[in-house]
Amino acid sequence: EAGVAQSPRYKIIEKRQSVAFWCNPISGHATLYWYQQILGQGPKLLIQFQNNGVVDDSQLPKDRFSAERLKGVDSTLKIQPAKLEDSAVYLCASSPQGYNEQFFGPGTRLTVL
Amino acid sequence: TQLLEQSPQFLSIQEGENLTVYCNSSSVFSSLQWYRQEPGEGPVLLVTVVTGGEVKKLKRLTFQFGDARKDSSLHITAAQPGDTGLYLCAGIDFNDYKLSFGAGTTVTVRA
Repeated sequence: EAGVAQSPRYKIIEKRQSVAFWCNPISGHATLYWYQQILGQGPKLLIQFQNNGVVDDSQLPKDRFSAERLKGVDSTLKIQPAKLEDSAVYLCASSPQGYNEQFFGPGTRLTVL
Repeated sequence: TQLLEQSPQFLSIQEGENLTVYCNSSSVFSSLQWYRQEPGEGPVLLVTVVTGGEVKKLKRLTFQFGDARKDSSLHITAAQPGDTGLYLCAGIDFNDYKLSFGAGTTVTVRA
């Protein structure tokens, strides 16, 4: 069974530029999560989708971050404009509905210069 | 957000030695999970502990959930270089089932 796919794996941009990350969850998984993991910290939930609806985006900085999961399958996370403090690994995870275990992708490492 | 504190932050040991990693909180969780994350990869679930006082074993790894469901420990016996990684604990909230992660313990096992 294929795991969670993310792209790109690495991205370097300058502050004030825009960037987008893509995630394809495990087939059939209804729930999709985006996390931000800053160096030396654990993952912090940014947004949770159930199918194509948002369940929780309370920790998403909505002035610059946006995410969508239009068809209830893959998802994109966008940052516009990026700040230096956005440098982090962005992890996507998915899980079957009603399941506690989350399956994580390899992440996208973002460096903002 | 419920705060989980992990200790120590870093641990470097020789192959064959034992180690223990701790995860503490002032909050009560419905259950608690341990993940291992290797460089360039996402976290991978090792175990979920659900009942206060529960002990689970996974080969050389022993996980314990505190009686009050606020803390947990991970003990590795006879550590091997393949055990090297970032160990993360995550508490699951009673109401919304969200994960709150600790900052992790970086374990290095030297050959």
